[in-house]
Amino acid sequence: EAGVAQSPRYKIIEKRQSVAFWCNPISGHATLYWYQQILGQGPKLLIQFQNNGVVDDSQLPKDRFSAERLKGVDSTLKIQPAKLEDSAVYLCASSLVARRKETQYFGPGTRLLVL
Amino acid sequence: QQQVKQSPQSLIVQKGGISIINCAYENTAFDYFPWYQQFPGKGPALLIAIRPDVSEKKEGRFTISFNKSAKQFSLHIMDSQPGDSATYFCAASKGGNQFYFGTGTSLTVIP
Repeated sequence: EAGVAQSPRYKIIEKRQSVAFWCNPISGHATLYWYQQILGQGPKLLIQFQNNGVVDDSQLPKDRFSAERLKGVDSTLKIQPAKLEDSAVYLCASSLVARRKETQYFGPGTRLLVL
Repeated sequence: QQQVKQSPQSLIVQKGGISIINCAYENTAFDYFPWYQQFPGKGPALLIAIRPDVSEKKEGRFTISFNKSAKQFSLHIMDSQPGDSATYFCAASKGGNQFYFGTGTSLTVIP
C-alpha cells in the first residue's frame, strides 16, 4: 500500500514570497491533516479535512495560510506571503476516518526555509 | 497554551535499559492518547496508543501507563535497543479530532 505522498521535499524561498505544498493521501482515506513542525517542537495541527470539508482550522493563520481539498483527495497548502517564522517542516497525514482509534499515517514532510 | 507537556527533552539510555518518557495534559475531554516515533527526515509513525478507561497497555517492549486522576501518561521502552534511538512524541485528541502533540523527547540508546 502506497503511503502519504508530499511534494516538494525541500523548498527555499525569500520572505514575502508565496509557496505551495501538495499532499496525496493514502487511497480511500477520508480525513486529511496538515501539521507544522518547527525544529525541536512537536507537530502543530493547522487544518483537518473530512473529505472536502474543513473540520478544524482553529490554528491556521488565515491571514497568510490557506488550504484546499477540492475533490476530497489531494490537498494543497499555501503560504502567501511567507515570513521567517514559517520555516518548518510541513507534514501531511491521513486516516480512514476521523475517529478516536483511527491511525494517522504521516508523509515525509516538506522542509521549508524562509530567508 | 501547551495542551500536552512532555519530559524529558532528551534521554540517554544504555542498551538493555528502560527508557521512560512522561506526558501530562489538562483537558479532561481528551479520549485518545497515542505515542509516535519519528526518525530523522521521516514523518511520525504511530507506536502505541491508549484510551482513558485503561490504566496500562503493552505491545512488545513498549508499554503505556495511564493515570487518569493525575492526568498523566508515560511510555516505557523495555530492553532499549540502539534501533530505538529516535524522537518520541506523545499526543492527545478528542474523538479523533484536534490532535495536540507534546514537544518531543530525543532518545539515544548507547550500545
